[in-house]
Amino acid sequence: NAGVTQTPKFRVLKTGQSMTLLCAQDMNHEYMYWYRQDPGMGLRLIHYSVGEGTTAKGEVPDGYNVSRLKKQNFLLGLESAAPSQTSVYFCASSLLGGGGYQETQYFGPGTRLLVL
Amino acid sequence: QKEVEQDPGPLSVPEGAIVSLNCTYSNSAFQYFMWYRQYSRKGPELLMYTYSSGNKEDGRFTAQVDKSSKYISLFIRDSQPSDSATYLCAMSAAFGSSNTGKLIFGQGTTLQVKP
Repeated sequence: NAGVTQTPKFRVLKTGQSMTLLCAQDMNHEYMYWYRQDPGMGLRLIHYSVGEGTTAKGEVPDGYNVSRLKKQNFLLGLESAAPSQTSVYFCASSLLGGGGYQETQYFGPGTRLLVL
Repeated sequence: QKEVEQDPGPLSVPEGAIVSLNCTYSNSAFQYFMWYRQYSRKGPELLMYTYSSGNKEDGRFTAQVDKSSKYISLFIRDSQPSDSATYLCAMSAAFGSSNTGKLIFGQGTTLQVKP
């Protein structure tokens, strides 16, 4: 089991460019999440998905879009990158939602994004 | 005011010391409490999980939840250099609430254990 994988590991963008971050999980989890981690801010939820074909907004969704066309994949898109989107992005997945132990979130290794 | 507050540190201790990490929170709906450990340039991994109030022990680690004070703690006994990492508290509300499935994280406390 690879668990949760993220592509790419690191990327540099210019302001206004677009890109897609890919998250894949091989644990047959229903729930998937995208977070960003910034110094002093902890992890903040961007968007999440409760199943294939469904997505919902998290705490900081502006400037991002997501898609969950396949159960194992969750894509995060930046249509027009801004310097404020410089961050480390983490994908996570859980078997179910709800907070209980069976709903433990498993995290990927992260994608470091620098927007110039 | 943030829903979850955590002192970012950094916290530096000698090997063998007892470490106490803490978080406070404001949302009384939180029922599930977790501690994640994050090594440098890695993703967070679940370290401890507690439901509602009380203590839970796992080896050198003890998690405590005091819901009346809205305060959670993680204790590390006989700390080792390999414990050097960032520790994030995380919380979730009960199933069926509007926050179902969402974890709210503290800022994380960076711990360094010196040999």
